[in-house]
Amino acid sequence: QKEVEQDPGPLSVPEGAIVSLNCTYSNSAFQYFMWYRQYSRKGPELLMYTYSSGNKEDGRFTAQVDKSSKYISLFIRDSQPSDSATYLCAMSGDTGRRALTFGSGTRLQVQP
Amino acid sequence: KAGVTQTPRYLIKTRGQQVTLSCSPISGHRSVSWYQQTPGQGLQFLFEYFSETQRNKGNFPGRFSGRQFSNSRSEMNVSTLELGDSALYLCASSPMGQDSSGNTIYFGEGSWLTVV
Repeated sequence: QKEVEQDPGPLSVPEGAIVSLNCTYSNSAFQYFMWYRQYSRKGPELLMYTYSSGNKEDGRFTAQVDKSSKYISLFIRDSQPSDSATYLCAMSGDTGRRALTFGSGTRLQVQP
Repeated sequence: KAGVTQTPRYLIKTRGQQVTLSCSPISGHRSVSWYQQTPGQGLQFLFEYFSETQRNKGNFPGRFSGRQFSNSRSEMNVSTLELGDSALYLCASSPMGQDSSGNTIYFGEGSWLTVV
């Protein structure tokens, strides 16, 4: 079993829809949670960064972390065709280390 | 502010050769880490450097090595290339600040390595 599980999709939604992306994890030591967006043949772009449990909002994006359930989510409001990409969750534990464990990524397609 | 810069962007090598990839972190960032991305295994951590010292290493064979220079630039090297080493190699930098944002990690565009 992988440490971080993420549905690979593809997830297809109409423009303007609310998108929900999720990851589950098994390592209770994880404290730092990130969401990255990766366009084809590009490097991952940091979207959201959350420490420990709680919610964080940035524009159309909301990240939620529920450490008790070992479950994290990314919500995208008013989705746009330009949001079509692969979304990767990533997490790490030790503050002194920058070794991220990634989910496999969810491919999102927003249809105009 | 310039992002993480990686060179070369694309390269083709033959089995048995070695390759060196370079990375310039975001200005002021002192931690550099490397990742390998393949369709089958996804993104996997290779190693992390801070102050010219390797702080952490992923589960990769000794053919994969790296180093960091005093200006925080980093290089990684893969010796005796195998077909399975074909991948996108990503460099990431982190500010290493005292607050929780010190753990934010920013990636470069990557170096596409094809081994034939």
